[in-house]
Amino acid sequence: DAGVIQSPRHEVTEMGQEVTLRCKPISGHNSLFWYRQTMMRGLELLIYFNNNVPIDDSGMPEDRFSAKMPNASFSTLKIQPSEPRDSAVYFCASSSGGRNSPLHFGNGTRLTVT
Amino acid sequence: QQQVKQSPQSLIVQKGGISIINCAYENTAFDYFPWYQQFPGKGPALLIAIRPDVSEKKEGRFTISFNKSAKQFSLHIMDSQPGDSATYFCAAETSYDKVIFGPGTSLSVIP
Repeated sequence: DAGVIQSPRHEVTEMGQEVTLRCKPISGHNSLFWYRQTMMRGLELLIYFNNNVPIDDSGMPEDRFSAKMPNASFSTLKIQPSEPRDSAVYFCASSSGGRNSPLHFGNGTRLTVT
Repeated sequence: QQQVKQSPQSLIVQKGGISIINCAYENTAFDYFPWYQQFPGKGPALLIAIRPDVSEKKEGRFTISFNKSAKQFSLHIMDSQPGDSATYFCAAETSYDKVIFGPGTSLSVIP
């Protein structure tokens, strides 16, 4: 079991640039979540998908953020244009989607926007 | 708006001691309360969880106590070990899969 795979592990970019974070969920899981972790705000749920369909995107901070899940094995989180305040660790998690099924997190992408 | 409150923010415990982390919630729609453990450089991982119809759940050295009327729950780590040093998150979940995390507690267990 490869677990949830995120890429890249680290991303350093300049303000104004486009950033794309990638996630491969565990095979067979049909729910996928994007979280952002900062010291100030902790773990924030940005968006989650069920069967590739966005269910709740109320946590997406601004229109600069967008997420897609074109198929069951791939999701992206895009920030365009990026700003220094977007610097954080971004986690992707997946679950089997059954009631109260545990979240399986990837190891995150540490984003630094200068 | 913090839907799940957690305290303390940080905790230092001697090896062999008891670590206690407390959480509280407001939304009565929450019906499942997991705890996640996170080591540096890793994503959080499920540690133990409880439903509100149960007042206590124990798994090894880890115990959750749940007080439904007070809308509070806590994690007790018995015989704390240096390997337990991590950040612990309480969380609350509704029936439609949305998991809300508390702000986290950084635990350090010193020899």
